[in-house]
Amino acid sequence: DVKVTQSSRYLVKRTGEKVFLECVQDMDHENMFWYRQDPGLGLRLIYFSYDVKMKEKGDIPEGYSVSREKKERFSLILESASTNQTSMYLCASSYLAGNPEKLFFGSGTQLSVL
Amino acid sequence: LAKTTQPISMDSYEGQEVNITCSHNNIATNDYITWYQQFPSQGPRFIIQGYKTKVTNEVASLFIPADRKSSTLSLPRVSLSDTAVYYCLVGDDPNAGNNRKLIWGLGTSLAVNP
Repeated sequence: DVKVTQSSRYLVKRTGEKVFLECVQDMDHENMFWYRQDPGLGLRLIYFSYDVKMKEKGDIPEGYSVSREKKERFSLILESASTNQTSMYLCASSYLAGNPEKLFFGSGTQLSVL
Repeated sequence: LAKTTQPISMDSYEGQEVNITCSHNNIATNDYITWYQQFPSQGPRFIIQGYKTKVTNEVASLFIPADRKSSTLSLPRVSLSDTAVYYCLVGDDPNAGNNRKLIWGLGTSLAVNP
């Protein structure tokens, strides 16, 4: 069964901390995505990557960075966490060609910044 | 820029057929229209996708008119376990001068009552 695994289901951090959210997929997908999901705002794209060491800004990249050193792993970094980054974070992956709209999601990380 | 519109919420009863429509203009001409289901505290899960006309699988049907300006997800004989949020996903039209990207609807919260 295909899998996208996010390292934590729940995370509590303090303002100003550096936060790492890890995501691993086992489907050899080229595309990987980080979304945040907030009530009433749907899914908003933070960053995506279509290849190793490649990254593209999404709609709300401010305050975030990403790293993709290996094809299967895509990390989201909050350089200095703030309370307005409290949210559900979702990682997804898909193929680059053929059917890039078929995304596979992880279970999400609920991050609380205090 | 492509835009999607879907109802915020819908109510239904067990055994009924539910139809959720998503309006989308300026979408990519060669991309699939895709629908996802999301339960609380989980990532969205792929349900069905189509390019035009009608597609049916074991879970749902998808109706897409010739102009592709909308799509309707049809859930036959819903049960309590179909209570979830349903999202449509389309590709942005690259000919509109934008980098192609995926556009999510804000989701339709379906409540199935006994």
